[in-house]
Amino acid sequence: EADIYQTPRYLVIGTGKKITLECSQTMGHDKMYWYQQDPGMELHLIHYSYGVNSTEKGDLSSESTVSRIRTEHFPLTLESARPSHTSQYLCASSELRGETQYFGPGTRLLVL
Amino acid sequence: RKEVEQDPGPFNVPEGATVAFNCTYSNSASQSFFWYRQDCRKEPKLLMSVYSSGNEDGRFTAQLNRASQYISLLIRDSKLSDSATYLCVVNGGGGYNKLIFGAGTRLAVHP
Repeated sequence: EADIYQTPRYLVIGTGKKITLECSQTMGHDKMYWYQQDPGMELHLIHYSYGVNSTEKGDLSSESTVSRIRTEHFPLTLESARPSHTSQYLCASSELRGETQYFGPGTRLLVL
Repeated sequence: RKEVEQDPGPFNVPEGATVAFNCTYSNSASQSFFWYRQDCRKEPKLLMSVYSSGNEDGRFTAQLNRASQYISLLIRDSKLSDSATYLCVVNGGGGYNKLIFGAGTRLAVHP
């Protein structure tokens, strides 16, 4: 089993609220990723990081932001949640030169 | 056109059946290929990598056809526990190990 954790697992929140989705891994992986996945659809990369103090935007435009202050921690923040942000958010990590990505259990977000 | 295309299914098969999924990818520069498995409402997990020479892992066989840009997954002797969505995944190249995910093919194995 991969040692990558996400909290909360489920979140229902009102429009306009600020939220932070947590992601932590204990594998010492340098690379970390955030994906967004709607039901029955493919995963879309929204953010990634090579390591501490490195963050990049992915393929899917997102109003969220990320930070990477510690290797093991890669939180995602939405300053003002909207119903269009309703989705599942999956965090993943991989070794610097590895190709296998290990996923956390995901956060299901519902914005009312 | 999507970068990775899969038949969404569902494939409904009885236990013990052999089932095959195909996937096509558009980027001829892709170098690495994978099948991930995603159970309902769970995270994706690596099932197997796909090598140019083809590879087998128990009841699962993966094949790559670079000329036609497609990847296949064959499951023999299907089990109820094989019911899941199978994601075709392609490395898009570049320095940061970007993976492109297909939307998946759903498999339902029934008794």
